[in-house]
This record gives sequence, C-alpha cells and structure tokens, in this order.
Amino acid sequence: EPEVTQTPSHQVTQMGQEVILRCVPISNHLYFYWYRQILGQKVEFLVSFYNNEISEKSEIFDDQFSVERPDGSNFTLKIRSTKLEDSAMYFCASGGQETQYFGPGTRLLVL
Amino acid sequence: GDSVTQMEGPVTLSEEAFLTINCTYTATGYPSLFWYVQYPGEGLQLLLKATKADDKGSNKGFEATYRKETTSFHLEKGSVQVSDSAVYFCALDSNQAGTALIFGKGTTLSVSS
Repeated sequence: EPEVTQTPSHQVTQMGQEVILRCVPISNHLYFYWYRQILGQKVEFLVSFYNNEISEKSEIFDDQFSVERPDGSNFTLKIRSTKLEDSAMYFCASGGQETQYFGPGTRLLVL
Repeated sequence: GDSVTQMEGPVTLSEEAFLTINCTYTATGYPSLFWYVQYPGEGLQLLLKATKADDKGSNKGFEATYRKETTSFHLEKGSVQVSDSAVYFCALDSNQAGTALIFGKGTTLSVSS
C-alpha cells in the first residue's frame, strides 16, 4: 500500500539555523500539506500546496517558512531561521479529493 | 471559525470494555469528519471518516456516526484490546479538496489486560 514518507525522522538544530524537512507524497496525489504538533498539543495546519503553488496557509506559516516541490516526487518545508518554539513534530500529508494521508513525521528539536 | 472539541483524556479501560470518545464540532457548511489514530512513536493514521450527515464510518471494530442535529461524531468500539492503546484525534475539513484539516486536542486511550 502506498505511503507518505518523510526524512529525516529526527533533526536537532541550533537556533537561527536553516532546516529543510523532506516528504515524498503518494504518487498520484495532487494536494500536499504540512502540519505540526508541538509536544502535548493539537495538530496544527501550516500550509497546503496544489498545482505548484500554495493554496492555503495558516497564521503560523510566516515568512520564515517556505515550501517547494523541487522535482516530481519530493515536497519540502524549509524553516529559514529556526526559533526555540519551532520545536515540534512536523507531519507531511498528501491527498486526492477527499482524504489526507499522513507521513510518520519529523521530530525537530531546536536548541 | 470551525473547531473540534474532544473529551479530555486520558481514558483508561480494561480489555474488552466498551469505548466511547466524544467529539463535537462547529462548522459552517457541510464538513467531512474524520478520526485519526496515533500509535506510540508513529504518525497519524486515518481510522475512519464520514462525508455527510447520517453516514457511519467504520474500521477495525471502531464506528462513528455523523450526527448533524447534535453536531457530533463520537467514536465507539464494543470491545477494546490492549493494541488499541493510542491517541485518537477527531478532525474536520470543509469538504473541499486542498483545505486544512482542523483537529481536536486528541484523547489518549490506555487499555490494560
């Protein structure tokens, strides 16, 4: 059964550094998403992406964040200058018309 | 805006007990409703969904019915197993492709043998 995959599974970085989180969505899906889950809190939407552009984004997704689909398979989330409060689990999801399927997540720790 | 409210956890049950996790929602329009499950150390897995009023989603012995009149989508299972121990998230979307899922805070279920 096709799955969404994410790399790395864990990332530790210093405050102010750039990080890139990678995702490989399910191959025939057209919609791509990033969510995050700060430890002990709810899952929060960051951004959705369709047809090579952002279709929706939340207040969390400020100028420090960007997304890209650099080739036909990868979907990346870049955090330009990480802050302590960016420490969270980041989930990628992909979907067709109805349902979103999630990857296993990348746990990001900013020190 | 749209929102989802789940019962506070943790929920602690013995094996074979009956499970109910309450979920209510606030939404404009006609959302789709979902239950996702997160097993320890893993990502979110879709458990079941319902896309319109009175639909019943079911999977792995879990059921939830989309009740428009009470704006609810409670998760039930007749006989839980230790392997059901996980965090359960209720979620909705606006029923349009590409829109955000809005999640509840999650309910932790712990089942002991």
